[in-house]
Amino acid sequence: KAGVTQTPRYLIKTRGQQVTLSCSPISGHRSVSWYQQTPGQGLQFLFEYFSETQRNKGNFPGRFSGRQFSNSRSEMNVSTLELGDSALYLCASSSQAGANVLTFGAGSRLTVL
Amino acid sequence: SQELEQSPQSLIVQEGKNLTINCTSSKTLYGLYWYKQKYGEGLIFLMMLQKGGEEKSHEKITAKLDEKKQQSSLHITASQPSHAGIYLCGADIGRGNQFYFGTGTSLTVIP
Repeated sequence: KAGVTQTPRYLIKTRGQQVTLSCSPISGHRSVSWYQQTPGQGLQFLFEYFSETQRNKGNFPGRFSGRQFSNSRSEMNVSTLELGDSALYLCASSSQAGANVLTFGAGSRLTVL
Repeated sequence: SQELEQSPQSLIVQEGKNLTINCTSSKTLYGLYWYKQKYGEGLIFLMMLQKGGEEKSHEKITAKLDEKKQQSSLHITASQPSHAGIYLCGADIGRGNQFYFGTGTSLTVIP
């Protein structure tokens, strides 16, 4: 079956713009988690969605938001981009909420200029 | 994440050598997960350890969990270039069902 698909893979934005990233989980997986990975901070949890509800949220400002659709696809949005938002954004899916065995997508690499 | 510290931060080894990566938690571990990441890509789940003293092996990779020390080790025997990448430990350390990842260990294997 198809893996976790993230789009776009690469994108460049300028400060102040906003960006929307998309994640399609493995078929049948209802949980989608988002992570931000940077060289300085490592891999940090953003939020988890399960059945269209946000279950948990990491320690990120309100500029970072997400949602999940009825088909389990998820989007995350970052508004008013800052240089420090440049990162690899990873999405992971699992069949159960709060599961720790995750299947990751290849990521969306965001560069903010 | 500072909750999970990994050592060493990076490792360069000659092909065929053995190596060990450690993951230490500042809080009680209720389970420990190992993932591998190829540079710039997503993570791949390697193995899960849930009980103190548990040891699991997959091909040439062995992981152990020491709950008393709040530590896990990942040992690679006879390393190969295919083992290169970033190894990350992960755990739910009881703070609201949030899964934390370790600081990561970058492994380079020289042919």
